[in-house]
Amino acid sequence: AQSVTQPDIHITVSEGASLELRCNYSYGATPYLFWYVQSPGQGLQLLLKYFSGDTLVQGIKGFEAEFKRSQSSFNLRKPSVHWSDAAEYFCAVNQAGTALIFGKGTTLSVSS
Amino acid sequence: SAVISQKPSRDICQRGTSLTIQCQVDSQVTMMFWYRQQPGQSLTLIATANQGSEATYESGFVIDKFPISRPNLTFSTLTVSNMSPEDSSIYLCSVGTVTYNEQFFGPGTRLTVL
Repeated sequence: AQSVTQPDIHITVSEGASLELRCNYSYGATPYLFWYVQSPGQGLQLLLKYFSGDTLVQGIKGFEAEFKRSQSSFNLRKPSVHWSDAAEYFCAVNQAGTALIFGKGTTLSVSS
Repeated sequence: SAVISQKPSRDICQRGTSLTIQCQVDSQVTMMFWYRQQPGQSLTLIATANQGSEATYESGFVIDKFPISRPNLTFSTLTVSNMSPEDSSIYLCSVGTVTYNEQFFGPGTRLTVL
């Protein structure tokens, strides 16, 4: 069955520290991979996506993610976290023309 | 990107009633989807709204409870029927194109059932 696992339910990071959010997937073929962010009371915003090519992808707000086929992973990183990054982060996968399958999400808190 | 609007943005409803949520897109899109996000949870796909034919429902969701219409390539509705408090969620419309394989999300409709 197709699934997305985000092992960390809640992460707290100090402002200015680096961040890595984990995402693993189970899929029949290499899927398309996405990271979305949802701030409190806000809609979903696409941070970045991977379709093919360079396995390190850059997104908005200083985020990047690396696709590792051997580990079925697509971890999200940011070198220096800002207080405004506190939000819910969702990893998602699909194939072309199909709906997204979401992980359960990771809540990021930023401490000062 | 596509600009998506949803109406209503939020509503409080009584048990046993129905609510219809509208989703309007500013351009023609191939794919339209409806998701549910229960409090503190992730997004779960309810159904794919097919233009000119019946929607395709995911396991656990049925047409009698969540009837969907899609009369054209820019508009869809989701009705939540015979509501109970367990239906209290955010309902999100999402659109995409096969060409670009990106999905964009509407702002959501926050539903509370008393």
